Amino acid sequence: EPEVTQTPSHQVTQMGQEVILRCVPISNHLYFYWYRQILGQKVEFLVSFYNNEISEKSEIFDDQFSVERPDGSNFTLKIRSTKLEDSAMYFCASSEWDTQYFGPGTRLTVL
Amino acid sequence: GENVEQHPSTLSVQEGDSAVIKCTYSDSASNYFPWYKQELGKRPQLIIDIRSNVGEKKDQRIAVTLNKTAKHFSLHITETQPEDSAVYFCAAKGTGTASKLTFGTGTRLQVTL
Repeated sequence: EPEVTQTPSHQVTQMGQEVILRCVPISNHLYFYWYRQILGQKVEFLVSFYNNEISEKSEIFDDQFSVERPDGSNFTLKIRSTKLEDSAMYFCASSEWDTQYFGPGTRLTVL
Repeated sequence: GENVEQHPSTLSVQEGDSAVIKCTYSDSASNYFPWYKQELGKRPQLIIDIRSNVGEKKDQRIAVTLNKTAKHFSLHITETQPEDSAVYFCAAKGTGTASKLTFGTGTRLQVTL
């Protein structure tokens, strides 16, 4: 069964550095999402993406964040200048219609 | 925006007993309600979902009920097993295919022997 994949599984970075988190959605899916989960808390929506543009974004998704689909398979989340509070698990998800399937996540640790 | 509340935050049951987790939502336009199971350090895994035109759905030991009028939905797990131990999240999705999921705060289910 096809799955969403994400790389890296764990990223450690210094405050102020840029990070790029990568996702490969399920191949026939057209809708892509990023969520984050701070340790022990609920999953929070960041952004949705369809037809090469952002469909919706949350207030968390400020100017430090950007998303891109650089080719036909990858979907990336960039954080330009990381802050301590960006430390979280970042999940990519994709859907064909309503049902969203999640990747294994990237644990981002900002020191 | 949508707000989803989930109760209880922790639930401990004995193996073989039933477990019920309840969620309420605020936006009457929400029309899709999935439940995810998350084991420690793993991805949220879809276990069952229900759409607003259906009142109940069952898949083996798992069932979900939806009351649109009251804006609440519940997850029922019967004959619980130790491998059911995990955190369970409910979510609500608005209209529009690319609409976000709004998650509840999660229920940590512990199934004891």
